[in-house]
Amino acid sequence: QKEVEQNSGPLSVPEGAIASLNCTYSDRGSQSFFWYRQYSGKSPELIMSIYSNGDKEDGRFTAQLNKASQYVSLLIRDSQPSDSATYLCAVNFGNEKLTFGTGTRLTIIP
Amino acid sequence: GAGVSQSPSNKVTEKGKDVELRCDPISGHTALYWYRQSLGQGLEFLIYFQGNSAPDKSGLPSDRFSAERTGGSVSTLTIQRTQQEDSAVYLCASSLADSYNEQFFGPGTRLTVL
Repeated sequence: QKEVEQNSGPLSVPEGAIASLNCTYSDRGSQSFFWYRQYSGKSPELIMSIYSNGDKEDGRFTAQLNKASQYVSLLIRDSQPSDSATYLCAVNFGNEKLTFGTGTRLTIIP
Repeated sequence: GAGVSQSPSNKVTEKGKDVELRCDPISGHTALYWYRQSLGQGLEFLIYFQGNSAPDKSGLPSDRFSAERTGGSVSTLTIQRTQQEDSAVYLCASSLADSYNEQFFGPGTRLTVL
């Protein structure tokens, strides 16, 4: 069974601080990793994708991948109240579909 | 450009009725996926289309669920004889089906079975 694990939270972070979201997955051969943001009552929005070991930065967001440890993370710098949402980690285990974690609920405290 | 669209946005039906949910993918996206998200739950894969073919139907919960895709574009998910446990948000996503497989979601259809 291929699985994606996330801490469900809630994770509370003061405005302006760095939010760190973590995800582990079960298959070392996985190739594609994604972070989605989901506001309450809305559909998931793709915010980051990462395919190779290391860091990938896009604005205030940085995704980090460590395939040896089967670990992917998302850092949000200078957190804003608008970042308050549920963040979903998703992995393509090589069979086209995405397997999602249950999500981490993030709250940015003004 | 236009994103993935889904209709209806909300559907309330009575137990035992059939429903059809529609998805219109991003133009040029050959891959189309259906997922569902129950209240407080994660996203559950239902079915995947590449063009008009469905290589992976492994997530369909029962034979009451079926889906088709025509012209490599619009897809319809049909649920026959709906049950209360079918109540969920049904999400459609599309992708270029390249090696990156970035999937973009539509707004979803919220199905409520009374």
